[in-house]
Amino acid sequence: DIQMTQSPSSLSASVGDRVTITCRASQSISSYLNWYQQKPGKAPKLLIYAASSLQSGVPSRFSGSGSGTDFTLTISSLQPEDFATYYCQQSYSTFTFGPGTKVDIK
Amino acid sequence: EVQLLESGGGLVQPGGSLRLSCAASGFTFSSYAMSWVRQAPGKGLEWVSAISGSGGSTYYADSVKGRFTISRDNSKNTLYLQMNSLRAEDTAVYYCAKEAPWGCSSTSCPPDYWGQGTLVTVSS
Repeated sequence: DIQMTQSPSSLSASVGDRVTITCRASQSISSYLNWYQQKPGKAPKLLIYAASSLQSGVPSRFSGSGSGTDFTLTISSLQPEDFATYYCQQSYSTFTFGPGTKVDIK
Repeated sequence: EVQLLESGGGLVQPGGSLRLSCAASGFTFSSYAMSWVRQAPGKGLEWVSAISGSGGSTYYADSVKGRFTISRDNSKNTLYLQMNSLRAEDTAVYYCAKEAPWGCSSTSCPPDYWGQGTLVTVSS
């Protein structure tokens, strides 16, 4: 089975900050890596699919990069509505989620 | 507008059974693979099971294999999850999700629409 790790597990940031979250797969998953945002009590929302493709309707301040085993989600200028938990997910072989990164207000 | 509405959650004793349903609308249901994903209270997301659009292919996480069965009725636009031999560790919010038609590997496409979830509590 493919295992996913994320770092950091949590971070504190201010509005306007540039935020980077990393995700690592236990084996190569090509570019089959997706990123989700989840707010408390809500369903996850797809932000990025295939490592770097922006889902329709998602603001351009979100971007993704990487291939193989190492991936990055970047928020170029953090907005108040971006405080949430972010999960990576591999879809190379069924699905595995990373443990999540909680982004809160500094 | 794509809508997914889960139902069937509730309180069940360990060893018991429950069937979850997910009513879909706003898209051609039979054309898309579907998944169930769960989230234990205060924990992260865990993929549970997936099924192809035709229902001919099914996939399960090791944690539920042999206990849970995924199925779909394309004439009713409804996805199901039959859960047997339930354990305390199955307690979670269960989400159904529609897979996107893009970004697909040989087995999976990224889930792009999710329901709001239904809570399953396994406790005596």
